[in-house]
Amino acid sequence: QSALAQPASVSGSPGQSITISCTGTSSDVGSYNLVSWYQQYPGKVPKVMIFEVSKRPSGVSNRFSGSKSGNTASLTISGLQAEDEADYYCCSYAGSSTVVFGGGTKLTVL
Amino acid sequence: EVQLVQSGAEVRKPGESLKISCKASGYAFTSYWIAWVRQMPGKGLEWMGIVYPGDSDTRYSPSFQGQVTISADKSITTAYLQWNILKASDTAIYYCARPRGSPDNWFDAWGQGTLVTVSS
Repeated sequence: QSALAQPASVSGSPGQSITISCTGTSSDVGSYNLVSWYQQYPGKVPKVMIFEVSKRPSGVSNRFSGSKSGNTASLTISGLQAEDEADYYCCSYAGSSTVVFGGGTKLTVL
Repeated sequence: EVQLVQSGAEVRKPGESLKISCKASGYAFTSYWIAWVRQMPGKGLEWMGIVYPGDSDTRYSPSFQGQVTISADKSITTAYLQWNILKASDTAIYYCARPRGSPDNWFDAWGQGTLVTVSS
């Protein structure tokens, strides 16, 4: 069970859109529409932003959206704001009641 | 309101044992799994395993199987993560979290984290 692959860092200017990819295998991301995304500020607890590929929990801005194609899931943040600067982690169901996280992506708002 | 409140920071020496806790409230404790997630200093999140307090069923990540023990006491709505022999590499923040979905695959509530420091 290897960690899902995410870019170490992405950046964008305020108002722009960015996309973070999350690549797994046919045993996790590719087999289930069960990918979630978490936002984590330094020293803080992770917060779910997207679950089951594209669903947004109540209270999460609609600037956050998710999608999946094959073994790769993506998180898109539109209308980038300074407050979006954080670490983002993807997570996928991997069968037999287990999940696997991605390595994390540091988003910098320029 | 769903709350997961974890025990405080711990400092131990290599070779010592430790058990940290996660007190749940605000929901039916025996009806949801509880997961433990590790975050080593400056690193990402790692899923360690889960326990179902209703019947104490547990599942572990292969990376953590045999290294830790996850358990729960439904009488006091508390989950535990335990080490018999700590190593310096166990230094990390440990989070408990409540999985949701069918099958359980995402986490809607998290504890505040417990910092475990293992150093001689």
